[in-house]
Amino acid sequence: KQEVTQIPAALSVPEGENLVLNCSFTDSAIYNLQWFRQDPGKGLTSLLLIQSSQREQTSGRLNASLDKSSGRSTLYIAASQPGDSATYLCAVRVQGGSEKLVFGKGTKLTVNP
Amino acid sequence: EPEVTQTPSHQVTQMGQEVILRCVPISNHLYFYWYRQILGQKVEFLVSFYNNEISEKSEIFDDQFSVERPDGSNFTLKIRSTKLEDSAMYFCASYTGYHGYTFGSGTRLTVV
Repeated sequence: KQEVTQIPAALSVPEGENLVLNCSFTDSAIYNLQWFRQDPGKGLTSLLLIQSSQREQTSGRLNASLDKSSGRSTLYIAASQPGDSATYLCAVRVQGGSEKLVFGKGTKLTVNP
Repeated sequence: EPEVTQTPSHQVTQMGQEVILRCVPISNHLYFYWYRQILGQKVEFLVSFYNNEISEKSEIFDDQFSVERPDGSNFTLKIRSTKLEDSAMYFCASYTGYHGYTFGSGTRLTVV
């Protein structure tokens, strides 16, 4: 059974700092991995999608990497801003069945001005 | 940018009542899903829907739950007799291989 773990559970940084969020998964049989952002009480906004054959994806100040064999992904945020404050969720799309997403519990990021 | 639309944004219902949560997925997507998130917990899979039928359902998705795509555009989740523990945020999603999952903004269901 696929399990996704995100470390740390919470992170507080000063504005301008570069930071890394970590995600690990137990079963490397995945189609892809997706990072989402969730603001309090809101929906999930897709940030980056990495296919299982890819090593990384970039969008603006965000860079996500994937090491499928070791079951790890990182989300790198450059030059953090207060508007980046949110919970960041990592999810893997499992192979087999309906290929559902399995989520981690998230990292709650606070960027202080 | 195409969106997944969910209504209502918030629903309060009495225990034992039926609720219907509505979703309009992205029109050219073929895979549709319902997920839920109990406050403070992980987002968890409920059910997937492909080619007008359920392709997989979780242990949570018991006989009290049902899904329908009545008119080729709307996608609904019905809970027949709500319990207190059904209180959660319910998310509809659709999927393509290119964009991955696109989630709606959710319906917050409160059972009192």
